[in-house]
Amino acid sequence: DTAVSQTPKYLVTQMGNDKSIKCEQNLGHDTMYWYKQDSKKFLKIMFSYNNKELIINETVPNRFSPKSPDKAHLNLHINSLELGDSAVYFCASSPLDRANSPLHFGNGTRLTVT
Amino acid sequence: ILNVEQSPQSLHVQEGDSTNFTCSFPSSNFYALHWYRWETAKSPEALFVMTLNGDEKKKGRISATLNTKEGYSYLYIKGSQPEDSATYLCAFRSGATNKLIFGTGTLLAVQP
Repeated sequence: DTAVSQTPKYLVTQMGNDKSIKCEQNLGHDTMYWYKQDSKKFLKIMFSYNNKELIINETVPNRFSPKSPDKAHLNLHINSLELGDSAVYFCASSPLDRANSPLHFGNGTRLTVT
Repeated sequence: ILNVEQSPQSLHVQEGDSTNFTCSFPSSNFYALHWYRWETAKSPEALFVMTLNGDEKKKGRISATLNTKEGYSYLYIKGSQPEDSATYLCAFRSGATNKLIFGTGTLLAVQP
């Protein structure tokens, strides 16, 4: 069974549309994250949730809104998509948001905005 | 701005060669240093998490060392195999922000 699963794997959509990416983890972890892999291949933190509460909110446009219905899920909603939103988005989880907690990543969602 | 730099960017070695890469990070507000292995079309997988200066960790043929005072970590692979081909990412956890900041990785290609 996949530990951290994201859907869809590929998402092609037009500018101006609203889309969601879902993430679920079955590891019993308390903390979940969204990372964006930019054009230079950097993984950059977007959001972090601990037990459904937002703990990190990087300076991303407010068109991006995370939703955590329970601690096993962290979905990413994106409104009014722009060309620059095209990237690979990774969900991850960790047991606790602590120094020695490794992250477990999903396989990524490649978003292409045309 | 917290910078995490990895070198080299890419590395091509022959099967059986031993190799090492470097991760440089800020020496202040150190909290932890992570290493991940990222194979093409897969997700990054954690190799090591190190928190103490002088830490050395080992997993099979792969080992890592940590120097928090000078801000660097080395990853070593002994007797590289084709299946070691991947991007190796390091990530620095700052005690000031508690955020995990990734480097761009070292792409390793092992030729049979």
